Amino acid sequence: AQKVTQAQTEISVVEKEDVTLDCVYETRDTTYYLFWYKQPPSGELVFLIRRNSFDEQNEISGRYSWNFQKSTSSFNFTITASQVVDSAVYFCALSEGANDMRFGAGTRLTVKP
Amino acid sequence: EAGVVQSPRYKIIEKKQPVAFWCNPISGHNTLYWYRQNLGQGPELLIRYENEEAVDDSQLPKDRFSAERLKGVDSTLKIQPAELGDSAVYLCASSQQGNLNTEAFFGQGTRLTVV
Repeated sequence: AQKVTQAQTEISVVEKEDVTLDCVYETRDTTYYLFWYKQPPSGELVFLIRRNSFDEQNEISGRYSWNFQKSTSSFNFTITASQVVDSAVYFCALSEGANDMRFGAGTRLTVKP
Repeated sequence: EAGVVQSPRYKIIEKKQPVAFWCNPISGHNTLYWYRQNLGQGPELLIRYENEEAVDDSQLPKDRFSAERLKGVDSTLKIQPAELGDSAVYLCASSQQGNLNTEAFFGQGTRLTVV
C-alpha cells in the first residue's frame, strides 16, 4: 500500500525566510510518480511539480526547489525568500501502479509580512 | 481556457436530504476524478472515469453515493441520503489521460455542510 506522510502540520515564517516542507512516502513499486500541489484559500489545488521515480535530479523553478532522495524516500520542497502570497496548504502526493494519486495530510504554510 | 468548473460552491442541507454536485472538466480531458477532502486532511479519491466508464470506484460508498458521466464530459456526484459525516469539500479534477505521469487539474470544489 502506498502512503504519504507530511509530518509538519503547520509552519509559520516571516517574509523572506527560506522554508522547507517535508514529504516522506512509502511504496513497493519501482515505478511511481511524486507530485506537489498548492491549495490557496480559494480552495483550488494548483499543480506545482511532477517527478518520476527514475529521475533523482533536483529541480529549481524560480524560488521553488525540490529535493528527491530515493535512499530516504523523501521528496522535500523548499521555498526561498518566502512571500506572503506563498501562504497556502501544500500537499505531496504519490501515484504508483494502478492506484491514483494518494495525498498526504498537507502542511499549512503561513508567511507573515 | 476555462479550468475545471464545479457548482455549487457551497451547499448546506439537512441530514437525510439528497444533494448533487456538478463538474465540467477541461475540454479534451477524458479522465475525470471526484475527491473528498475532510477538514485538515488531503483529498481522498472517490471515483475515477475514463470517458464515460468508471474505472475505479472502490472508495465510493455505494450505499448512498452515486456518480455518472453519461456523455464522457460533465459529471454529477450524488449523495442520498446525506449524513452528518458527509460534510466535506468535494473536489473534481480532470486530466488528459489516466496514466501515472499526467497531472490532474482541480476545480475549486463544493463545500458541503450537513446539519
